[in-house]
Amino acid sequence: AQSVTQPDIHITVSEGASLELRCNYSYGATPYLFWYVQSPGQGLQLLLKYFSGDTLVQGIKGFEAEFKRSQSSFNLRKPSVHWSDAAEYFCAVGALFLTGGGNKLTFGTGTQLKVEL
Amino acid sequence: DVKVTQSSRYLVKRTGEKVFLECVQDMDHENMFWYRQDPGLGLRLIYFSYDVKMKEKGDIPEGYSVSREKKERFSLILESASTNQTSMYLCASSPRTDYNSPLHFGNGTRLTVT
Repeated sequence: AQSVTQPDIHITVSEGASLELRCNYSYGATPYLFWYVQSPGQGLQLLLKYFSGDTLVQGIKGFEAEFKRSQSSFNLRKPSVHWSDAAEYFCAVGALFLTGGGNKLTFGTGTQLKVEL
Repeated sequence: DVKVTQSSRYLVKRTGEKVFLECVQDMDHENMFWYRQDPGLGLRLIYFSYDVKMKEKGDIPEGYSVSREKKERFSLILESASTNQTSMYLCASSPRTDYNSPLHFGNGTRLTVT
């Protein structure tokens, strides 16, 4: 079965500093990988996804992530953090379900990002 | 834009009550999902459905059931609510044929069972 590990529960960065959130996955086949963000009181919003091809993917709000198969990692990065980036971030791996079609996602436990002004 | 609407933002129910959580999506998506979100545990899949009247168990189905009578609506049912079902519940949808399509989430229903 697939699984996702986000080793950092909380991260605090200063506004303007760079950010890297770690994600490691376990999946037997080529993974579909996603990063979502959840602001307080909101549902989850997709930041970016990796399906195939270029291992560096760009997302919304200036985020990017790099897929490294050899390390089973899909870390999220941003060169300069803004105060509005404070939120909870979830990494997820998609597994195809054979009945019908589509992915069911397995999520990590999340990383809470705090931004200091 | 895909809109996934969960009928209640907050619910307070008593132990033993039968509870219905409703979710509606407006994008004609075949797949719909129910997750629960707990601090330190992330999101865990309860049930999903890939077509009307079809359902499959997720990772934590115990104590829950679901109903999908219409394509746009997916209901989560707690037959006899218990305090350990106090949680945030998130509904999501996705199209069937797009394997790398992300899930589109509603804003969640925070359920408290007393």
